[in-house]
Amino acid sequence: GAVVSQHPSRVICKSGTSVKIECRSLDFQATTMFWYRQFPKQSLMLMATSNEGSKATYEQGVEKDKFLINHASLTLSTLTVTSAHPEDSSFYICSARGPSGKPSYEQYFGPGTRLTVT
Amino acid sequence: DAKTTQPPSMDCAEGRAANLPCNHSTISGNEYVYWYRQIHSQGPQYIIHGLKNNETNEMASLIITEDRKSSTLILPHATLRDTAVYYCIARTAGNMLTFGGGTRLMVKP
Repeated sequence: GAVVSQHPSRVICKSGTSVKIECRSLDFQATTMFWYRQFPKQSLMLMATSNEGSKATYEQGVEKDKFLINHASLTLSTLTVTSAHPEDSSFYICSARGPSGKPSYEQYFGPGTRLTVT
Repeated sequence: DAKTTQPPSMDCAEGRAANLPCNHSTISGNEYVYWYRQIHSQGPQYIIHGLKNNETNEMASLIITEDRKSSTLILPHATLRDTAVYYCIARTAGNMLTFGGGTRLMVKP
């Protein structure tokens, strides 16, 4: 089946620093990648959608200058949390989808990255 | 995509069948019913999906009512490792997955 990896699985950073999270599709080409955020005891909330080679589309209320998304290749997307603050501490999950018409057109999820900002 | 409604929590005895209901009364004809689960601190895991017919795979069975307004996910012999939050999602093919509150299933020994 289609596999999506994320790195790192856990990261602790100091307030004011930036953190980059990588999401990779290991065995398929991900034309679209989705980034979700999940706070404790809450559901997943979509942050943004990105198509390879295009700018990401952000959901309402998500600051695009704070959460920088790059989807430069068909197997890699990155989320950079800039000037992180403690309220950015959360579980970040990426999801990847392949081209229409292929089995990988379904959404496949990464294992998530736990970000703690101190 | 149509909104879904699930009970917030359920308990099930280990070894018994777990029946998780989902209401999707406004589902449209081209929307599939998807089920995912999320074990604590992991990414969501796909379980099963269907359109009109009942479906079965190695993980679970999905029973969809004839009017498609509700469905039930059945885990035939629940184990402790099935403790998770289960999400029922109505989705048109190709649309992104939008997660609601889900059902927190606790399998007890």
